[in-house]
This record gives sequence, C-alpha cells and structure tokens, in this order.
Amino acid sequence: GDSVTQMEGPVTLSEEAFLTINCTYTATGYPSLFWYVQYPGEGLQLLLKATKADDKGSNKGFEATYRKETTSFHLEKGSVQVSDSAVYFCALSVYNFNKFYFGSGTKLNVKP
Amino acid sequence: GAGVSQSPSNKVTEKGKDVELRCDPISGHTALYWYRQSLGQGLEFLIYFQGNSAPDKSGLPSDRFSAERTGGSVSTLTIQRTQQEDSAVYLCASSTGTGAYEQYFGPGTRLTVT
Repeated sequence: GDSVTQMEGPVTLSEEAFLTINCTYTATGYPSLFWYVQYPGEGLQLLLKATKADDKGSNKGFEATYRKETTSFHLEKGSVQVSDSAVYFCALSVYNFNKFYFGSGTKLNVKP
Repeated sequence: GAGVSQSPSNKVTEKGKDVELRCDPISGHTALYWYRQSLGQGLEFLIYFQGNSAPDKSGLPSDRFSAERTGGSVSTLTIQRTQQEDSAVYLCASSTGTGAYEQYFGPGTRLTVT
C-alpha cells in the first residue's frame, strides 16, 4: 500500500550545520509530496510541497526535490538555526487527494 | 482571521462510553480532514470531506468511528463504545479545495480512555 518512511529522530545539530532528513515513499500512481513542520506548542503547518517528478519545493531556506527514480523527497537546509527546532513530517497524497499519508515525524534539535 | 478550532481540547472518558469531537474549519474552506496521532507515531489519516460528502470512509479504523459534516462547515467525529486503544490526539485540518492545497491544522483534541 501507499506509505511514507522517514528517518527516525531525534536529530541533534549545532547551529549553522547542514541538515538532511530522509524521506522515501511507496505509492501507486503519481503522488504529490509535502513536508509539514510542527514547532513546539504549535499546530502543524505546511513547509513546502512538490506535485510532480523533478519539482523542487522550497521555503524558509529548506528545500526538497521530488525524485521519482529513487522514490525520495529528502529535506535539506544548508545552515540550521535554533529556531528550526521542531518536528518535521513528510507526507504524500494520492487518489485525487482523497487520502493523505504522513510519516512518523523527525524531531530536530538545534543547539546554539 | 480565525484558524481551525477544535473542541474539547482534552477529553477523558471511561471505556465503553461514546464521545463526540468537534471541528470548526476556517470559514470558506470546502475541504476538511480528520487525523489521529497516537503516542510516538505519525498522523493516521481517517477521513476527508469535500463539502458535506466523504468520498472514501475506508480510513476509519472501525465501525465504531463515524463522521459527519453539516452546512459545509462544522464536522463531528463520533467514537462509540470507546476502547483504550482509541486514546490519541485527534487532529482536524481544512483547506480551500481538493488538490495539493495547504492544509491548516487545528490544535487537536487529546482523548484519553480510562
């Protein structure tokens, strides 16, 4: 069935370090892919998205490229900040967006 | 403007009782979603409404779960004869339409079944 697998956390980095959070997916058809973020004490919010192969989503310095050949949508940021500390969720949508599948979330801790 | 609101924020109930969870989406949002987040796990998709219709109810965990939406606005998720494994945070989200639109999430209802 359709699913999303993302790297387990927590991930702990120093400020200005490079970040990669891996996400791979299994899907029938052609899914759209998303990264959502949940900051401490807040609700989930969309970080970025890509709707077709080779698309790159970007926002707030974060990027992810939809790779159909490797069924991946890895999240990257060149230089993390303490304010990036949050839980990051990879997600996909198929079947005309009638269903969404989220990964288990990866907690990121950035230390000053 | 007002975001997605959910009530109650916390609910403790005894095993076997019925509970109703409410979601008020952002005004004008036609699509509404329910998710469940169990401790240490990701979000589990439950059901999606476009207007008042739910095209696919197969995500509901069992026939004890039901959901409805009226007037294209408020939605209620009902769990009958609650079990301890129903304990979780139930999240609601809304969006402006179908497709790859951003979902706006509510704060959730934390349900504890004792």
